[in-house]
Amino acid sequence: GAGVSQSPRYKVTKRGQDVALRCDPISGHVSLYWYRQALGQGPEFLTYFNYEAQQDKSGLPNDRFSAERPEGSISTLTIQRTEQRDSAMYRCASSLVLAGGTNTGELFFGEGSRLTVL
Amino acid sequence: LAKTTQPISMDSYEGQEVNITCSHNNIATNDYITWYQQFPSQGPRFIIQGYKTKVTNEVASLFIPADRKSSTLSLPRVSLSDTAVYYCLTISGNTGKLIFGQGTTLQVKP
Repeated sequence: GAGVSQSPRYKVTKRGQDVALRCDPISGHVSLYWYRQALGQGPEFLTYFNYEAQQDKSGLPNDRFSAERPEGSISTLTIQRTEQRDSAMYRCASSLVLAGGTNTGELFFGEGSRLTVL
Repeated sequence: LAKTTQPISMDSYEGQEVNITCSHNNIATNDYITWYQQFPSQGPRFIIQGYKTKVTNEVASLFIPADRKSSTLSLPRVSLSDTAVYYCLTISGNTGKLIFGQGTTLQVKP
């Protein structure tokens, strides 16, 4: 696609429910990143993939958070048993080049998925 | 990853040149320096990236001294539309992981 597409754009859920956030990167982009951003704060790294391989998940807050990118394209970030503190803007970004290469390139961010947990 | 430190906020006026300096004292040999811009309600947008010396593109210049412990983003002749948050990041040349700090909120006044 022309840009990074995320869905849903807005999600309101009740505490305890599971949510799945989807990211469709720019076609041909090999690296995909997940961040979350609280109001007035910089993006907080969660995890990233090179192709389908999850390279680093050290930023995932706890084991309720998981991410996958099974075919090296679309990625899903899943939050189980949501809590109010999970409310944030979740941002996905993709890059044409492999993360960790000598030319790290630029990230293209999507519009984000705003999650509100009641 | 090297921690970056930059001013929390800056004010400027239209038409002025703005320089935002970032310190990254613990930058590693393989790390690159990258700057992003973020407008309210939008995702960050790449501005410029460099390793050492000076890099210039159509929107900004990036100055990196020989010791690479700091970098300065230079925005020539800013306009009101340059009001945004500017993030300085170091990128590991080994892992590619990007860590955002708090950023510098630039307010351009008429």
